[in-house]
Amino acid sequence: QVQLQQSGPGLVKPSQTLSLTCAISGDSVSSNSAAWNWIRQSPSRGLEWLGRTYYRSKWYIDYAVSVKSRIIINPDTSKNQFSLQLNSVTPEDTAVYYCAREAPSRTLWYFDYWGQGTLVTVSS
Amino acid sequence: EIVLTQSPGTLSLSPGERATLSCRASQSVSSSYLAWYQQKPGQAPRLLIYGASSRATGIPDRFSGRGSGTDFTLTISRLEPEDFAVYYCQLYDTSPPMYTFGQGTKLEIK
Repeated sequence: QVQLQQSGPGLVKPSQTLSLTCAISGDSVSSNSAAWNWIRQSPSRGLEWLGRTYYRSKWYIDYAVSVKSRIIINPDTSKNQFSLQLNSVTPEDTAVYYCAREAPSRTLWYFDYWGQGTLVTVSS
Repeated sequence: EIVLTQSPGTLSLSPGERATLSCRASQSVSSSYLAWYQQKPGQAPRLLIYGASSRATGIPDRFSGRGSGTDFTLTISRLEPEDFAVYYCQLYDTSPPMYTFGQGTKLEIK
């Protein structure tokens, strides 16, 4: 059974960096078939995919165009986890942030396991 | 970027009734890229359907998905009290690689 456990602060000041971590159990961040994603949800923007990292003989990372200039997603193989950094945050970045596993399929694309969600509020 | 439009925004039905939720893509897409999720307050989305019509593990058979091209449907044959929630469709796009979600349909008790 795959479990994703999120951690990180729930309050970030404007212009600072939002940092979250997603610890994986029951699978590996270095899986050759799954991918590891960050998704956020807010009343104004709905569910918004932010990016992913995955390993296919080497590491790949994809980012959403909307945040590409200020996002970093990193895998951490030593701790079997992956992280999200979002720089220069504004109140518009206030949302519930989720990590999610993209299912290990080469022909179908969907998220089969999700973290518990972290409400991040951007406020001074 | 492909846009997903879900309708209706809110659906008011009674337990035992049939629910039909729609998800329309702004251009033709592969069924392999289409999934449906259920979300209850304070919870993460839960996978219901993948590949437009395959039920996820543990999902009751009253949930079914169908469609192709630009029009996809999630049907709940006989509503149970626990089915009242918000439902989202999701699409994967390959160029550039990205996921998009519909804005959701709220299924509420009439």
